[in-house]
Amino acid sequence: DTGVTQSPTHLIKTRGQQVTLRCSPISGHKSVSWYQQVLGQGPQFIFQYYEKEERGRGNFPDRFSARQFPNYSSELNVNALLLGDSALYLCASSHRDGNQPQHFGDGTRLSIL
Amino acid sequence: AQSVTQLDSHVSVSEGTPVLLRCNYSSSYSPSLFWYVQHPNKGLQLLLKYTSAATLVKGINGFEAEFKKSETSFHLTKPSAHMSDAAEYFCVVSERGFQKLVFGTGTRLLVSP
Repeated sequence: DTGVTQSPTHLIKTRGQQVTLRCSPISGHKSVSWYQQVLGQGPQFIFQYYEKEERGRGNFPDRFSARQFPNYSSELNVNALLLGDSALYLCASSHRDGNQPQHFGDGTRLSIL
Repeated sequence: AQSVTQLDSHVSVSEGTPVLLRCNYSSSYSPSLFWYVQHPNKGLQLLLKYTSAATLVKGINGFEAEFKKSETSFHLTKPSAHMSDAAEYFCVVSERGFQKLVFGTGTRLLVSP
């Protein structure tokens, strides 16, 4: 089975720009979650989508948005990038909503100059 | 609100000796608890999961953890460390039935020959 795939693997942007990160879940998984991991810290929950609906949102500003497509893939968008947005962005998928084990991709490393 | 505290930022062991990574949790509800491992420049891999079944949970690669409600602890152990165990380990809590994972700050395990 193919695991969770994320693209791109690395990205460099400048302050004020916008970025779109992509995630393809494991086949058959309908729930996708996004996490931000700043260097030296544990991941922080950003969003969860299930069946194309937002089911949870973490404590992030409105510059962060996401969506899920009919094939259950997902995009995370960040507008007006700040230096503090530099981080590893992780996508996780699970089979169903609720208390299901989440499987993580290798992440997208976003660097803001 | 849920939270986890990983009591050690770094743990150093010799190959072949036991591993103990400590975690205390706080949760208003019956929690689900997890341990994830992260190797350098990689995503997170699920080691094991507790969801109110047996209090002693066995995971992959010889790891296990014991849920102790009276001590609000969920420590991770392995009888004999291997060089390949060197990585960052995260203790994670979620509210039963929800996908949002709350991560600890991580413990870096160093294994020397």
